[in-house]
Amino acid sequence: AQKVTQAQTEISVVEKEDVTLDCVYETRDTTYYLFWYKQPPSGELVFLIRRNSFDEQNEISGRYSWNFQKSTSSFNFTITASQVVDSAVYFCALSELNTGGFKTIFGAGTRLFVKA
Amino acid sequence: GAGVSQSPSNKVTEKGKDVELRCDPISGHTALYWYRQSLGQGLEFLIYFQGNSAPDKSGLPSDRFSAERTGGSVSTLTIQRTQQEDSAVYLCASSPGLAGLSYNEQFFGPGTRLTVL
Repeated sequence: AQKVTQAQTEISVVEKEDVTLDCVYETRDTTYYLFWYKQPPSGELVFLIRRNSFDEQNEISGRYSWNFQKSTSSFNFTITASQVVDSAVYFCALSELNTGGFKTIFGAGTRLFVKA
Repeated sequence: GAGVSQSPSNKVTEKGKDVELRCDPISGHTALYWYRQSLGQGLEFLIYFQGNSAPDKSGLPSDRFSAERTGGSVSTLTIQRTQQEDSAVYLCASSPGLAGLSYNEQFFGPGTRLTVL
């Protein structure tokens, strides 16, 4: 069965600090996809990144970086030099190819507060 | 439109009434998802469609919930005999489906906030 665990409910940092959001997943499939989405105070979820299970290469995009480790079933997200605009709820998600399409399960989310 | 739209944006209803929530996906997206987000909580998967068919209905909380999609486009989520615990934000998302490089990246709508009194 699919499961996504985001153990950190809330994190509070001061601007310019680095912060890492943890995500641990469970799946029995060998082919799956992992995602991070951002939900700012305005409410609409925004896609940040997708990773497939065969690509463990870490990715960096500006101040954002992602560390995918199959050995520990983790897909952690780091924000470097955080800014107030990074304040949001961040969701990790797991998608498996199911009959006729993809079923996606989201973690409970981590609420990030970045204080000026 | 350019993005996923949902209507109404807000719905207040009395306990026991039926409600219909509508989702207009991005044109050409074959996959459509419904989620429920209770106050301060994560996203609870309800159902997804690939075209007009719903391969997985396991997330629907009870038989009071149903969803349909016609013409491979608009979807309606219906909640019958609403209860107070149904109060939440109902989010719809669409994705290109099994075709296209970003086939399972989901684009979310703004949600419908349902309040059951």
